[in-house]
Amino acid sequence: DAGVTQSPTHLIKTRGQHVTLRCSPISGHKSVSWYQQVLGQGPQFIFQYYEKEERGRGNFPDRFSARQFPNYSSELNVNALLLGDSALYLCASSLEAGRYGYTFGSGTRLTVV
Amino acid sequence: ELKVEQNPLFLSMQEGKNYTIYCNYSTTSDRLYWYRQDPGKSLESLFVLLSNGAVKQEGRLMASLDTKARLSTLHITAAVHDLSATYFCAVGLNTNAGKSTFGDGTTLTVKP
Repeated sequence: DAGVTQSPTHLIKTRGQHVTLRCSPISGHKSVSWYQQVLGQGPQFIFQYYEKEERGRGNFPDRFSARQFPNYSSELNVNALLLGDSALYLCASSLEAGRYGYTFGSGTRLTVV
Repeated sequence: ELKVEQNPLFLSMQEGKNYTIYCNYSTTSDRLYWYRQDPGKSLESLFVLLSNGAVKQEGRLMASLDTKARLSTLHITAAVHDLSATYFCAVGLNTNAGKSTFGDGTTLTVKP
């Protein structure tokens, strides 16, 4: 079975641009969460979607948005990129509210220059 | 606001030795996760702990949870070089499904 897949793996953007990151959960998983991991720190929660509805939002500005599609895949959008948005963006899917744990994708490394 | 503290943040140990990583959290939680991360890689799930007194073991790693003390431990037995990685604990709540609050991680280096 395929795990959580994320695309692209690496991305370089210029300040002020916008970016779209994509995530496909494990088949059967209806919950997708997004995290931002800055080098040397633990992941920070951005969003969680379950059954196409937003169920949680972390302490991130409105420049960050996300959505979940009928096939449970998800997109994370970031507008007006800042240098500080450079990070590893991780997507995680789960079967039942995390009771059986979360499976993380390999991440998208975003560099803003 | 839930806070998660790990210690130590850096750990260098000799092969064959035992050590424990501690994870303290500030508010009541009903689930605790341990992950491993290799440099430049994603997170690998190690353990899911859901109840007070839960203990799980996999190879040389054993995790436990004390919800009353708001403490989880990750014990390493007879360390080997392959265990070198960064270990994160993360705390979640069933009511906040999908949101986990992570510690800053413990970077473990096992030396021959």
